[in-house]
Amino acid sequence: KAGVTQTPRYLIKTRGQQVTLSCSPISGHRSVSWYQQTPGQGLQFLFEYFSETQRNKGNFPGRFSGRQFSNSRSEMNVSTLELGDSALYLCASRQGANYEQYFGPGTRLTVT
Amino acid sequence: AQRVTQPEKLLSVFKGAPVELKCNYSYSGSPELFWYVQYSRQRLQLLLRHISRESIKGFTADLNKGETSFHLKKPFAQEEDSAMYYCALREADSSYKLIFGSGTRLLVRP
Repeated sequence: KAGVTQTPRYLIKTRGQQVTLSCSPISGHRSVSWYQQTPGQGLQFLFEYFSETQRNKGNFPGRFSGRQFSNSRSEMNVSTLELGDSALYLCASRQGANYEQYFGPGTRLTVT
Repeated sequence: AQRVTQPEKLLSVFKGAPVELKCNYSYSGSPELFWYVQYSRQRLQLLLRHISRESIKGFTADLNKGETSFHLKKPFAQEEDSAMYYCALREADSSYKLIFGSGTRLLVRP
């Protein structure tokens, strides 16, 4: 099976802009989670989607949002970008409860 | 608040030496604990989970609820073990929110 794929892999945006990141889970996986990784804060949970419903949300401002489509693909959106949003955004998918979670390669977002 | 602490940013050992990567957690319920590993230029991947009680690549980890610890151990380190290791906690609910520690870089020298 193909692994979790994320597009784009690299992105440069300007403060104030918005950005949409995409994640395609492993075939058959219905759960998708998003994490932000920064040198200062480490890996932080953003949100999890299962069957198009948000199951859990991390402690991030409302500028961070996401959604999941019927084919389990997920997108996350960040509006009004700030310099501090520069990070590696990781997506992970799993088949269901108590199954292993598989991570994608990440999208490197740089905000200038 | 739930927290995972990995006190060492860097652990450097010689090949063949024992390795112990420390992980302590704070959580009021019954957590599920994991170790994830990230080799150079590779994705973050699951190394082991406490409920499996298995040894992966020679690594083991035992959940000590009394000491709230989940240290990762290997009796004889290999150069290929050099990587970034993250301890993570999953809350006991239906979602899969993982709380990660800050990570420990293991460097195994020849």
